[in-house]
Amino acid sequence: QSALTQPASVSGSPGQSITISCTGTNSGVGSYNLVSWYQQHPGEAPKLMIYEVTKRPSGVSNRFSGSKSGSTASLTISGLQPEDEADYYCCSYAGSSFYVFGTGTTVTVL
Amino acid sequence: QVHLLQSGAEVKMPGASVKVSCKASEYTFTFHYIHWVRQAPGQGLEWMGRINPDSGGTNYAQKFQDRVTMTRDTSINTVYMELTSLRSDDTAVYYCARDPHDRNWFDPWGQGTLVTVSS
Repeated sequence: QSALTQPASVSGSPGQSITISCTGTNSGVGSYNLVSWYQQHPGEAPKLMIYEVTKRPSGVSNRFSGSKSGSTASLTISGLQPEDEADYYCCSYAGSSFYVFGTGTTVTVL
Repeated sequence: QVHLLQSGAEVKMPGASVKVSCKASEYTFTFHYIHWVRQAPGQGLEWMGRINPDSGGTNYAQKFQDRVTMTRDTSINTVYMELTSLRSDDTAVYYCARDPHDRNWFDPWGQGTLVTVSS
């Protein structure tokens, strides 16, 4: 299974909105609504931000939202804040009890 | 509060094996899959496989199929990941993560275990 494709980096100014894409062909993104997103600050374990494409766990800011169109899932961060600066990874169920992560995106708050 | 506590850092010689543990607390251990994910220095996340703590059934990523074994001990709410024939490119932080009710997402994660493979 090849990793899902994400942009290496995305940046924005405080208060702006940014969107991170996550694309996979034959990877499950287009076949299942089972895409999740994880935030990882340096030296820390990943943290769940979005699951099942659009759902937000309790405690995660509503500035984070997810969507999907065809084989591309997206994570949008609105009202960008300094603490949002981190690495973000998508993950999809790929079928047959296998999973695949995205290549990761570094978000920089200018 | 659900918690996964992993074992400490390891340093291994090439060709050796390593066994990392992940102890679960504050939930019914056998209800939720545990997955293993690794992250090489400066690199992204890589899914390795999962174990059903109830049945002991496993699924491994093809890349690790021949070298990884995941087991569990229900008496102490702990899962293990053993990786054999270690190479320098196995140097990474290894994470365990819970998949609530097999819903295909991971929360929470363990704190990570650094495995260094070096001669």
